[in-house]
Amino acid sequence: AQTVTQSQPEMSVQEAETVTLSCTYDTSESDYYLFWYKQPPSRQMILVIRQEAYKQQNATENRFSVNFQKAAKSFSLKISDSQLGDAAMYFCAYRGSSNTGKLIFGQGTTLQVKP
Amino acid sequence: DTEVTQTPKHLVMGMTNKKSLKCEQHMGHRAMYWYKQKAKKPPELMFVYSYEKLSINESVPSRFSPECPNSSLLNLHLHALQPEDSALYLCASSQVGGTRGNTIYFGEGSWLTVV
Repeated sequence: AQTVTQSQPEMSVQEAETVTLSCTYDTSESDYYLFWYKQPPSRQMILVIRQEAYKQQNATENRFSVNFQKAAKSFSLKISDSQLGDAAMYFCAYRGSSNTGKLIFGQGTTLQVKP
Repeated sequence: DTEVTQTPKHLVMGMTNKKSLKCEQHMGHRAMYWYKQKAKKPPELMFVYSYEKLSINESVPSRFSPECPNSSLLNLHLHALQPEDSALYLCASSQVGGTRGNTIYFGEGSWLTVV
């Protein structure tokens, strides 16, 4: 069975600084997708970034980028120039190549941004 | 702005009541999902519909009854709930097939309180 682990329950960063959230996963599949979702206090689950396992290039979306290490089964999220609006719970998630497969979440990391 | 719309945003119901949560998406997606989320925990999958047919039921108690009237609508009928069923209920959707078929988009959620 696939598992996703986020080892940092809480993180904090100073506004305008950079922070990296860690995520590791375990799978025997060769084709899969990885995601980072953000959930602010409003509780809407917002897609931040996605990475296809077959792509070697790390995904980027503006201030958000990932470090995808397939052999190490690691998928960290880097947030550059942190803003107050980045404060939220961040979930790492895995989905296999089956298109109706489950989205498997990590336990989440709460990010605090200090002004 | 989310393209997955959930109503109501807040619902308080007694243990003998019958109520429904509604979800609508206009992205042309053919897979729709119900998730349950407790505070500070990741979402837990409840049901998956693919092409309007129930494809996954994660052993959810029968007091929760899903319905997919068409490809855009998803309902969750609630009856004889328990206080421990109080949670945020998230609806989500995705395409089926192709590389885009693996990104799940969430609605804003419906807060349910059972009294």
